[in-house]
Amino acid sequence: GAVVSQHPSWVICKSGTSVKIECRSLDFQATTMFWYRQFPKQSLMLMATSNEGSKATYEQGVEKDKFLINHASLTLSTLTVTSAHPEDSSFYICSASPIYEQYFGPGTRLTVT
Amino acid sequence: GESVGLHLPTLSVQEGDNSIINCAYSNSASDYFIWYKQESGKGPQFIIDIRSNMDKRQGQRVTVLLNKTVKHLSLQIAATQPGDSAVYFCAEGIQGAQKLVFGQGTRLTINP
Repeated sequence: GAVVSQHPSWVICKSGTSVKIECRSLDFQATTMFWYRQFPKQSLMLMATSNEGSKATYEQGVEKDKFLINHASLTLSTLTVTSAHPEDSSFYICSASPIYEQYFGPGTRLTVT
Repeated sequence: GESVGLHLPTLSVQEGDNSIINCAYSNSASDYFIWYKQESGKGPQFIIDIRSNMDKRQGQRVTVLLNKTVKHLSLQIAATQPGDSAVYFCAEGIQGAQKLVFGQGTRLTINP
């Protein structure tokens, strides 16, 4: 149980385009979903927290207009990287929380050329 | 950020030996701690957790020790196996895992 999926697992896009990443909780309902970014050889950095049906809360330094988060249902959250630039290339990981725990997805590798 | 590092600490141990991975956490108000294992290109995998009202918790081949006085957490892995090779992260939270702050991570390499 407590499986979280992400799609796509990897994506390559051109600079200036937008990319959408999906995060799904497959066997439970997630009241809260989290989005993290991880650069090579670094730790996970929380980008934003989203609750179903409400606006996401972004961490300091994360541009909300660049990283659009939608949490439209209790099993799906999406992260859209708008006008992507090479410096946005990273490993994006989501997690889903039914109550207190966090269950992590497998991550999405984004490469912006 | 709260946990950024350009150089991941590394630990190499011989297969079959015990390993100890250490973590210093930052917030004295944190009351929940988790160890995660992350293999290359994958998301974090839960290993073991401990609440602040405990100082030791054991799982299968793993033990977590918590020293709140010095804000220190450790993960002991007994009889290491090749499959234990990964990056290990500690994470701290307040009131559960609702908002976690991750440590910088340690790369564990098991030598045959």
